[in-house]
Amino acid sequence: DAKTTQPPSMDCAEGRAANLPCNHSTISGNEYVYWYRQIHSQGPQYIIHGLKNNETNEMASLIITEDRKSSTLILPHATLRDTAVYYCIVRVDTGGFKTIFGAGTRLFVKA
Amino acid sequence: NAGVTQTPKFQVLKTGQSMTLQCAQDMNHNSMYWYRQDPGMGLRLIYYSASEGTTDKGEVPNGYNVSRLNKREFSLRLESAAPSQTSVYFCASSEPGPYYTEAFFGQGTRLTVV
Repeated sequence: DAKTTQPPSMDCAEGRAANLPCNHSTISGNEYVYWYRQIHSQGPQYIIHGLKNNETNEMASLIITEDRKSSTLILPHATLRDTAVYYCIVRVDTGGFKTIFGAGTRLFVKA
Repeated sequence: NAGVTQTPKFQVLKTGQSMTLQCAQDMNHNSMYWYRQDPGMGLRLIYYSASEGTTDKGEVPNGYNVSRLNKREFSLRLESAAPSQTSVYFCASSEPGPYYTEAFFGQGTRLTVV
């Protein structure tokens, strides 16, 4: 599985959009981009995933560049409850979740 | 719907003691995983089981053994606990693919070895 690079921490004002970047320059054609988050050392929670196209669900949007070497997770209206560690991972669709979760980005949403 | 259940939630062991961490899932998933998370770090894969009857080593398997008891249950055993094994342990389950899938995680077991 390809490795990912994320900034260690970011701040965001409550009510504003939080844009979390991820670099995955060695991603292969059959690897999906997944985002998880972990709140207060609870078990990680799935947010969204995508292969090539941009994706949106009730939690977030995922923007993947055309060359697929980077992506951005967007939380459109961040709240204090979105303060968490966000993990960007890539995985082969048939490979289960043997992938490595890096240190992620610690997002602080401030009032 | 319980999802992934881990027991115990907290445990303190003395160096050299043994214990088994239990994990059960009720989503009929084929694949199950054990991760550990040290303070300020990401999750590292210890062992995984792609399907019932199979287990494989992950990134940090030394000092651990696993048993896939049946499709629902995947246990992690520490035969002789060491302070370096102080960590939070997460169990997860998923379908292996090739279609869309996501991993579901338990709430973790916080283990301290003194």
